[in-house]
Amino acid sequence: GAVVSQHPSRVICKSGTSVKIECRSLDFQATTMFWYRQFPKQSLMLMATSNEGSKATYEQGVEKDKFLINHASLTLSTLTVTSAHPEDSSFYICSAKTGVTYEQYFGPGTRLTVT
Amino acid sequence: GQQLNQSPQSMFIQEGEDVSMNCTSSSIFNTWLWYKQDPGEGPVLLIALYKAGELTSNGRLTAQFGITRKDSFLNISASIPSDVGIYFCAGDSGTYKYIFGTGTRLKVLA
Repeated sequence: GAVVSQHPSRVICKSGTSVKIECRSLDFQATTMFWYRQFPKQSLMLMATSNEGSKATYEQGVEKDKFLINHASLTLSTLTVTSAHPEDSSFYICSAKTGVTYEQYFGPGTRLTVT
Repeated sequence: GQQLNQSPQSMFIQEGEDVSMNCTSSSIFNTWLWYKQDPGEGPVLLIALYKAGELTSNGRLTAQFGITRKDSFLNISASIPSDVGIYFCAGDSGTYKYIFGTGTRLKVLA
């Protein structure tokens, strides 16, 4: 149980284009999903929290117009990196939780490379 | 953003040895989670702690919620090569938003 998937696992895009990353909870309903960013050999930094059916809450310093988050259903959240630049290259990981637990379950991550 | 301090940053141990690592914070937390992350993968939940003083085991892993609520400890007994990876603690103060530790890199020598 508590399986979270992400798609794609790897993506390479050109500077200036947009890329969408999907996060799905496969065997539970995720009332809340989180998006993290991780640089090489560093810890996870929370970017935003999304609750199903409402606007995402972004952490300080994260541009909401650049990192668009949609949580349209209890099993799917998407992160769209708009007008990507090389400095957006990173490992993006989502996590999900139900409303009754404090435990978060992570997806396998998406490696984004912007050329 | 805020991070929790984990110690040690990295460690090399011999297979079969026990491992101890800890996580400290300047803030009080209500929940502690411990994760293991393999290279290129997402973190996998190992143990969840919900009460000060709580001691919880998962196989060879044992974690404790510090009595001050500002720290947590993870022990691995009789380490094996597949224990290699990065171990992260994560603390929550009741907001459901976790702050992650700086990580402890474990390398096991066969």
